[in-house]
Amino acid sequence: QVQLVQSGAEVKKPGASVKVSCKASGYTFTGYYLHWVRQAPGQGLEWMGWINPNSGGTNYEQKFQGWVTMTRDTSITTAYMELSRLRSADSAVYFCTRYHNSFDVWGQGTMVTVSS
Amino acid sequence: DIQMTQSPSTLSASVGDRVTITCRASQSTSSWLAWYQQKPGKAPKLLIYKASSLESGVPSRFSASGSGTEFTLTISSLQPADFATYYCQQYNSYTFGQGTKLEIK
Repeated sequence: QVQLVQSGAEVKKPGASVKVSCKASGYTFTGYYLHWVRQAPGQGLEWMGWINPNSGGTNYEQKFQGWVTMTRDTSITTAYMELSRLRSADSAVYFCTRYHNSFDVWGQGTMVTVSS
Repeated sequence: DIQMTQSPSTLSASVGDRVTITCRASQSTSSWLAWYQQKPGKAPKLLIYKASSLESGVPSRFSASGSGTEFTLTISSLQPADFATYYCQQYNSYTFGQGTKLEIK
């Protein structure tokens, strides 16, 4: 079945970087854009950007430009989201999600905690 | 950026009730509007896409309508599994509404 499986929870210190992975299975990885969405504790959903797994092209929400990097490795059907210069406000659950008729398949989420 | 505003923020209802959630966009999104359901600790689940199209596997008690700047999601007869938080999203620039928490009265 179509599935996105994300890497496990991370604890990082302020100023560090985190890289979250999202492994796709059950469909043609290069056929659908992958987006990243985050959700701070008790808060709503915040769109971060997308990657085109076919070309590697990206589009980031303006707020995240300069400190988020989305990449992919087609050989292992995995996408990555790296966020640098972490602050406590970046503590959140990060989701990858496939774009097809909007966001039809979601990863389980990766909790990133930023704490000194 | 297009801003999405949902109302109400919280809705208290009982099993069997008919409920409606509204989503307004700051500018036209045509029909590029989706609705999601999210339960605590889980990823969002797509319910509706293109403003009124029911995602496969979603119960028919869920329906939605609208275009341009005003959209609604209706649940015709609430079931216990429907108590959750609902988000609208316009997918021109992908912004979400702030969410509507549907609580048991």
